[in-house]
Amino acid sequence: DVKVTQSSRYLVKRTGEKVFLECVQDMDHENMFWYRQDPGLGLRLIYFSYDVKMKEKGDIPEGYSVSREKKERFSLILESASTNQTSMYLCASSPRTDYNSPLHFGNGTRLTVT
Amino acid sequence: AQSVTQPDIHITVSEGASLELRCNYSYGATPYLFWYVQSPGQGLQLLLKYFSGDTLVQGIKGFEAEFKRSQSSFNLRKPSVHWSDAAEYFCAVGALFLTGGGNKLTFGTGTQLKVEL
Repeated sequence: DVKVTQSSRYLVKRTGEKVFLECVQDMDHENMFWYRQDPGLGLRLIYFSYDVKMKEKGDIPEGYSVSREKKERFSLILESASTNQTSMYLCASSPRTDYNSPLHFGNGTRLTVT
Repeated sequence: AQSVTQPDIHITVSEGASLELRCNYSYGATPYLFWYVQSPGQGLQLLLKYFSGDTLVQGIKGFEAEFKRSQSSFNLRKPSVHWSDAAEYFCAVGALFLTGGGNKLTFGTGTQLKVEL
C-alpha cells in the first residue's frame, strides 16, 4: 500500500513565523502535490512537483513556496504565516507514467495561525 | 480551465435507503474523473475512477458512478447506504500536465453525507 506521511497532524504557529510542512511518500512516485482544504471551498492545489527540484504553481500559490530536494520528500513553506493560511493541508503523490492513476493522500496537517 | 460542481452541500439519508450524489464537470477534452471519500480526521480515499470505456464504473464499498458525456455529469450512487458511509465526498476531474506526466486534480467543494439510523 502507498503510504504518504505528513510529519505533523496539528500545528499552531504565530503570525509572521516561517512554517515548514513536511510530506514523505514511500512508493517512489515522481509526482507530489500540496492542497489546502477549507470548508465550502473543497481542495485547492497550491503547488505540485513532477521531479526532484522541479515545481509548478497550482491555483493558489501566493504566500507559499515548496522544496523537493529528494524524490520521496516534498515540503511546503509558508515564508511569513498569516491568519488566512489557517487551514487543513493535504499532501498527495502519484506515479508519472500512469495518466489515470489516482492521487494517494496523507492524513493532513491542520495548521492554525494565531 | 477545468472545474467541478457539486450542487449539494449536505445530504441526509436513512440507513438502507439509496443514495445519489451529483457531480458536474467542465473540461475541454475527455476527462479523467474520480470520486474520493473523506472520513472525519482522515485523508482522502479513492472510491472509483473513470478513464475510458464502460460508462458505469464500480468502486469500493458498493459504490458506483455513471459517466454521462451529454450531461457532463459523473454521479455517484449506492443502492443501500450504511451508517458507516457518513463522510464527505469529493468529485474531481483530472487534467494532464504536460511537463512530466500525470494528472493534477481539480476538486469540487464536497458533499457532506449524514446517515440517519
